[in-house]
Amino acid sequence: GQQLNQSPQSMFIQEGEDVSMNCTSSSIFNTWLWYKQDPGEGPVLLIALYKAGELTSNGRLTAQFGITRKDSFLNISASIPSDVGIYFCAGQTTDSWGKLQFGAGTQVVVTP
Amino acid sequence: SAVISQKPSRDICQRGTSLTIQCQVDSQVTMMFWYRQQPGQSLTLIATANQGSEATYESGFVIDKFPISRPNLTFSTLTVSNMSPEDSSIYLCSVATGNSNQPQHFGDGTRLSIL
Repeated sequence: GQQLNQSPQSMFIQEGEDVSMNCTSSSIFNTWLWYKQDPGEGPVLLIALYKAGELTSNGRLTAQFGITRKDSFLNISASIPSDVGIYFCAGQTTDSWGKLQFGAGTQVVVTP
Repeated sequence: SAVISQKPSRDICQRGTSLTIQCQVDSQVTMMFWYRQQPGQSLTLIATANQGSEATYESGFVIDKFPISRPNLTFSTLTVSNMSPEDSSIYLCSVATGNSNQPQHFGDGTRLSIL
């Protein structure tokens, strides 16, 4: 079956540093999504990517849809304490009718 | 994006009992989904809730254990039946508007603990 690998599993960084995480898949996706989940809440959509090679920014966040359509990365620049949380990538294949496959998540901890 | 409300937000239940979780959206949506998030884990799709027809279940999930209703385009329920401690998880509803390429948005989930 499909496998979606997300790394790193966790990151401990100092405030002001940049953060980078990525996901790779054994299958081709037509959509890549990045979510953030805070404790006690549901995942919140950060960035949606629909085209191979697409590079999209949302404030300090930048994400790219890999050219092979099997990978994506998310960068967070100049991290701040509120960036703490778990970040999930999610992918959707052409024939999956909206069904998402999620990565295992990257836990980000920001220290002052 | 749509406002998604889940009830209850959390519950503690006795094994062998059943609990129905509600998901209400403030606007009509094309697609509604139910996910399970086990402690410290990622999200796993349980089923797609189809309006006016039976839900479509993913491998490993069956209707007898997780019956789902979707009577209209703004509401769905998920029942966790005959609960055991292994069912202790966060159950999340998500919705997508328009076509299947629209991103999904999630409710805040129902945190379920089984004693």
